[in-house]
Amino acid sequence: DIQMTQSPSSLSASVGDRVTITCRASQNIGSYLNWYQQKPGKGPKLLIYGASSLQSGVPSRFSGSGSGTDFSLTISSLQPEDFATYYCQQSYSTLRTFGQGTKVEIK
Amino acid sequence: EVQLVESGGVVVQPGGSLRLSCAASGFTFDDYTMHWVRQAPGKGLEWVSLISWDGGTIYYADSVKGRFTISRDNSKNSLYLQMNSLRTEDTAFYYCAKEGGIYYGMDVWGQGTTVTVSS
Repeated sequence: DIQMTQSPSSLSASVGDRVTITCRASQNIGSYLNWYQQKPGKGPKLLIYGASSLQSGVPSRFSGSGSGTDFSLTISSLQPEDFATYYCQQSYSTLRTFGQGTKVEIK
Repeated sequence: EVQLVESGGVVVQPGGSLRLSCAASGFTFDDYTMHWVRQAPGKGLEWVSLISWDGGTIYYADSVKGRFTISRDNSKNSLYLQMNSLRTEDTAFYYCAKEGGIYYGMDVWGQGTTVTVSS
């Protein structure tokens, strides 16, 4: 199975901060990398697909980059509604896998 | 409105069985691959299984292979997960999700249903 490793596991940030979360795959997955946001008590929401494409309706302050094994999700200016847990997920393999999650908390 | 609604989650004893359902609406169900994803209490997301649009391609995570069976009924716009030989570690919130395409991620998720395996 392809292992997905996110860092950091959690971070504290303030409204307006620029935040970057990284995700590393255990093998080359091309651009088959997606990012999700999950708030407490809710199902995940797709933010980025294909490593860098913004899902319809997602604010432009979210962006994704990377290919191969190293990827990142950046929030350019953190808003109050962005405090949540973020997951990366690979769709290169038929056995899909998620990263362990990064919790973004208020400083 | 595009929507997925899961049902069937209950409390069940170890070794027991359960079938989850997911009702889809607002999109052409038989065009898309569907997934089950679970989340244990306080833990991260774990992919469980996928089924292709026609049911011809099915895969499972190692943790459930041989115990869980995914299926779909396109005439009823419904996805199912038959769960047998349940273990305490299967306790989780179970979500169904629609995949927009292999490159496009899981773009629609249900609200989830809770499965508790406990004696």
